[in-house]
Amino acid sequence: SQQGEEDPQALSIQEGENATMNCSYKTSINNLQWYRQNSGRGLVHLILIRSNEREKHSGRLRVTLDTSKKSSSLLITASRAADTASYFCATPNTGNQFYFGTGTSLTVIP
Amino acid sequence: EAGVAQSPRYKIIEKRQSVAFWCNPISGHATLYWYQQILGQGPKLLIQFQNNGVVDDSQLPKDRFSAERLKGVDSTLKIQPAKLEDSAVYLCASSLASSRGEAFFGQGTRLTVV
Repeated sequence: SQQGEEDPQALSIQEGENATMNCSYKTSINNLQWYRQNSGRGLVHLILIRSNEREKHSGRLRVTLDTSKKSSSLLITASRAADTASYFCATPNTGNQFYFGTGTSLTVIP
Repeated sequence: EAGVAQSPRYKIIEKRQSVAFWCNPISGHATLYWYQQILGQGPKLLIQFQNNGVVDDSQLPKDRFSAERLKGVDSTLKIQPAKLEDSAVYLCASSLASSRGEAFFGQGTRLTVV
């Protein structure tokens, strides 16, 4: 399978806490991308990390990539109620196809 | 920059009826995707176009689903006849050709088949 698999399936935290979710994949990659989906909406691109990068930051987001373990993690620091959403990872292949797993459903409790 | 436009936003039909969804990608994006997302699941790729040619339609149920992208811009996805299990959100996305950069998604069309 070319899709990424997110873990955990569901995560519930208090506002202000950090949220960490993981992604595992099976094939070699060019890059790995994280997307957010608010309920009833389309997916929104959050961050892209290339295969030769180990860590990347964007605002309150921190992404790490371990190509030896074929895994990535997304850390959201100081979470807010507005971060409540589903989070997906994707690793586009040479055909520019994006395959998604079932995602991590994050609930941030105010 | 205008985003990916989809219509309608919501559609309710009876089983065995037909339905069509429309997508207008971001200007200049040669690659267009249709995804089906059933409640509680991740998006499933149905078909990918590069300009007006099909790149991948391996997961498209071709006995009832069809899609076209005339002139390499707008696209329509049709279901005929619909089944109850087709109830889902249908997402359209676009990206620059062969870039492996980000994909831009529309808001989706929520289809309910009763």
